[in-house]
This record gives sequence, C-alpha cells and structure tokens, in this order.
Amino acid sequence: AQSVAQPEDQVNVAEGNPLTVKCTYSVSGNPYLFWYVQYPNRGLQFLLKYITGDNLVKGSYGFEAEFNKSQTSFHLKKPSALVSDSALYFCAVRDITEGFQKLVFGTGTRLLVSP
Amino acid sequence: DSGVTQTPKHLITATGQRVTLRCSPRSGDLSVYWYQQSLDQGLQFLIQYYNGEERAKGNILERFSAQQFPDLHSELNLSSLELGDSALYFCASSVEGAVYNEQFFGPGTRLTVL
Repeated sequence: AQSVAQPEDQVNVAEGNPLTVKCTYSVSGNPYLFWYVQYPNRGLQFLLKYITGDNLVKGSYGFEAEFNKSQTSFHLKKPSALVSDSALYFCAVRDITEGFQKLVFGTGTRLLVSP
Repeated sequence: DSGVTQTPKHLITATGQRVTLRCSPRSGDLSVYWYQQSLDQGLQFLIQYYNGEERAKGNILERFSAQQFPDLHSELNLSSLELGDSALYFCASSVEGAVYNEQFFGPGTRLTVL
C-alpha cells in the first residue's frame, strides 16, 4: 500500500521565520501528493497538490511544497510564518492498490508559531 | 466555510446503540467521502459515494453503513456502537469522483460512546 510519513509530531517556529513541515512518501509508480491543514474545531482544508509537472507547487495562504523524487519527499514550506498558521498539517497520498482510489493521510504535524 | 454541512455537531450515546450522521455536500458536488479521525487510528478513509452509487470502500466496519440519496446528501449509520467508535467523523465532497480533485471537508461530528 502507498503511505506517507510525517516524522515530526510538532514543529515550533517564531513568527516571521521560514517554516518547513516534512513529509516522505512510499509509493509504487508516480505519486499524487497532497497537503491539508486542520484548524482547531474545523474540518480539513486543502492547501496544495502535486500530480505532475513542476517540482515546486504553490498553494493557498502562501504555502508551497517541493516534490523531490530522489529523496521521496514532499515537504511543505512557507518563507515567513504567521501566528495564524498554527494548526495541524496532514500530508496525504493517493492509494490505488486496492482497486479504487483513496487518500491515505499521514499522522499529522502540529505547527506552533510563536509571536 | 467549506460549504459542506454536517449534523449533528456532537453526539453522545451508549454502547450498543445506533446513530445516524448526516452530510450535505457543497452545491454541485457529486462525490461524498466519509472519514474517521481518532487518536489511535489517525485519519482513516471509510467510504465514498459518487452520484448515489458507492465508488470506493475503505476501512469501514461491517457495523457501519452509508448511502447517498438522490438529492446528494449522505448518511453514515453506525450500529452496535462500541467505546472504540468514539471519534470525529468527517464528511468531504468534491466535484467529481477522482481522488485528486480537491476535497472540501465539513466541520465534523464528534461521537462519544459511553
């Protein structure tokens, strides 16, 4: 089965500093990769996706992610963090190994941006 | 606001009971997905419907069932509830059935089984 790993349970960063939330994937074939964000007491919101094409994907709220095939990574980045970016971030991959398509999510990384 | 609505927001019930969770997708979206989020299992895909038909079935227990009605709203039925079924249940919708389409999530129903 396809899977993603988010090695950090929590990432702490000061406001104004760049942030990185890590994700690595294990996929046979070409990966379809996604980032979603979950704010407290809310459902998930789509940030961005990589299907094919440019390895640098730009998404919502100033976030971007870099697809790196050699390192099997899809890290989420933002040049300058905001306190309002504090949330739970999920990396996900499309899994088609069971004969149908589904999203498989990572365990999530909590981002805390301090003022 | 994603445009996806879920009712109720909170549900507290006892073991052995049956509950129904309801989801209304965004206007125009044909596909509905159900997910379960719990501390020990994380976020798990349960089932997907597309235009009234079951499209994909994930980690859904036999005690659970779902359907999508002609007006495209969906219901998730959970029966013979166990303590371990306590979780957040999310519904999501997308325009089409392909999983690479952006999914819009509702605010979730928090189920507590006592």
